[in-house]
Amino acid sequence: DVKVTQSSRYLVKRTGEKVFLECVQDMDHENMFWYRQDPGLGLRLIYFSYDVKMKEKGDIPEGYSVSREKKERFSLILESASTNQTSMYLCASSRRTSLPVEQFFGPGTRLTVL
Amino acid sequence: AQTVTQSQPEMSVQEAETVTLSCTYDTSESDYYLFWYKQPPSRQMILVIRQEAYKQQNATENRFSVNFQKAAKSFSLKISDSQLGDAAMYFCAYTSPTSGGSNYKLTFGKGTLLTVNP
Repeated sequence: DVKVTQSSRYLVKRTGEKVFLECVQDMDHENMFWYRQDPGLGLRLIYFSYDVKMKEKGDIPEGYSVSREKKERFSLILESASTNQTSMYLCASSRRTSLPVEQFFGPGTRLTVL
Repeated sequence: AQTVTQSQPEMSVQEAETVTLSCTYDTSESDYYLFWYKQPPSRQMILVIRQEAYKQQNATENRFSVNFQKAAKSFSLKISDSQLGDAAMYFCAYTSPTSGGSNYKLTFGKGTLLTVNP
């Protein structure tokens, strides 16, 4: 069964802390994505990666960075957390093909920055 | 830039009834794909249905079907015989070959929260 896991369901951090959100997929997918989900705003793409060590900015990359050292793992990093980064963060993965295919999502991490 | 609009923040339906969720999109592309994703209260998002723009036939998946009106840029989701398990947030999403090449980045609408009343 297809699986995308995220390291934490809930996380509480202080302003200014460095925060790591981890995502692991077991489907050998090339593409991985990080979204943030806010009420009334839907899902917005932060970064995506189409291969190991490759990354591209999404629509709202400011304040975030990412790391993909292994194919199955994609990390989202908040270098200095701020209260406006309080949100639900969703990771997703998909195969890289010539046609759009389904993105598989993780359960999400609810991050609160105090 | 492509945009996806879901004009109904919330909808409700009685169990066993039919409900239609609306989605419109704006694009200048001729080749694109549309999706409906479901996010149940447990938060794991899953794909419900997808539609290729070049196909005139509306996609169906069991009780879920779409009404794809290409000229009107409308892509509504119909849920027949609604069940309690259909209660979720539903997101409409768009992608095209120009949305990040072979990586097909998705553009999501803001979502519609569906409540199913017993």
